[in-house]
Amino acid sequence: DAMVIQNPRYQVTQFGKPVTLSCSQTLNHNVMYWYQQKSSQAPKLLFHYYDKDFNNEADTPDNFQSRRPNTSFCFLDIRSPGLGDAAMYLCATSPSGTGYEQYFGPGTRLTVT
Amino acid sequence: GQNIDQPTEMTATEGAIVQINCTYQTSGFNGLFWYQQHAGEAPTFLSYNVLDGLEEKGRFSSFLSRSKGYSYLLLKELQMKDSASYLCAVPNDYKLSFGAGTTVTVRA
Repeated sequence: DAMVIQNPRYQVTQFGKPVTLSCSQTLNHNVMYWYQQKSSQAPKLLFHYYDKDFNNEADTPDNFQSRRPNTSFCFLDIRSPGLGDAAMYLCATSPSGTGYEQYFGPGTRLTVT
Repeated sequence: GQNIDQPTEMTATEGAIVQINCTYQTSGFNGLFWYQQHAGEAPTFLSYNVLDGLEEKGRFSSFLSRSKGYSYLLLKELQMKDSASYLCAVPNDYKLSFGAGTTVTVRA
């Protein structure tokens, strides 16, 4: 089945230790997104790729970086995780254009110790 | 920018009907999405409205009034598995702005 896959589902990292979350898709969608979601809050868009074009949200901390080596894969790098970065990280994809639904992966729950 | 408001919580009993309202203010309008999100899981798509009126999809229906900046999601014949957060979202280009979500608790 075509889908959005995120690995790992649960990630524990130490304060300040770099961590990478991965996302892959078999939908061949042009757009890939990374969201941060904290408990009882709406998903917050961190950045997205439209094909190879990277688009950072204005309020995304520099601590968060992303890479998209090809259409199928996208990575979220957190260079120096702080306690406030503990959250669910959601990857989503969408065909190009406005009005298309976004397809979400199952999420990676990040714990920072 | 987008400003999206929806109630924080709603409680209803099994078999009942619940209506979740969403009001929005956008600089342009390209439709409105509803997503369902169970605790600890990813959001899943429920509906997309771009024209005024009611769209029915089984037990779930979604309504839109563009002139009023208003939508609602109607859940009928509630089941325990409908306990979840329901997120209203409006697109801006190919990004989505989400409301904070309405947590629906279904009681036996």
